[in-house]
Amino acid sequence: GNSVTQMEGPVTLSEEAFLTINCTYTATGYPSLFWYVQYPGEGLQLLLKATKADDKGSNKGFEATYRKETTSFHLEKGSVQVSDSAVYFCAFEGGFKTIFGAGTRLFVKA
Amino acid sequence: EAGVTQSPTHLIKTRGQQVTLRCSPISGHTSVYWYQQALGLGLQFLLWYDEGEERNRGNFPPRFSGRQFPNYSSELNVNALELEDSALYLCASSLGTGEGIGELFFGEGSRLTVL
Repeated sequence: GNSVTQMEGPVTLSEEAFLTINCTYTATGYPSLFWYVQYPGEGLQLLLKATKADDKGSNKGFEATYRKETTSFHLEKGSVQVSDSAVYFCAFEGGFKTIFGAGTRLFVKA
Repeated sequence: EAGVTQSPTHLIKTRGQQVTLRCSPISGHTSVYWYQQALGLGLQFLLWYDEGEERNRGNFPPRFSGRQFPNYSSELNVNALELEDSALYLCASSLGTGEGIGELFFGEGSRLTVL
């Protein structure tokens, strides 16, 4: 069935380190893919999205590329900041709903 | 522009009781989605309402139900509460497009504790 698998956290990095959070999905066809972020004390908000194969979504220095061959949508950022500390959710549209991964908590130390 | 609003923000119930959670979508959004975020389990899809109709339902028992009103606001009802119903209940809305659900806009959630 439809599902999303993302790397388990927590992930702890020092400021200015490189970030990768892996995400793979199992779905029928080629769904739209999303990364949502949940900052402490706030609701989820869309970080970036890609709607077709080879598209690259980007926002706030984060990037993710839609790879249909590997059914992946890994999140990357070249230099993280303390303010990036949050929980990140990979998601896709499938079966008339948006399906979310379990979330990866990121801690960035100054 | 107001975002998605949910009420109450926190509530405590005991096993067997019933609870009603409320959600007001962003103005102009006709679709409302409910998710359960239990500790460590990510977001589990509960229900999708659009134009007053239930469009899709997740893998939850019938004691989870809801409705959408003509102004597109929505209620989630949970009957016969069980301890494992303790979670953050998130509501989201979307414009919806002809090609899919699109971006979801989330409220801050209603945290339910069942004792």
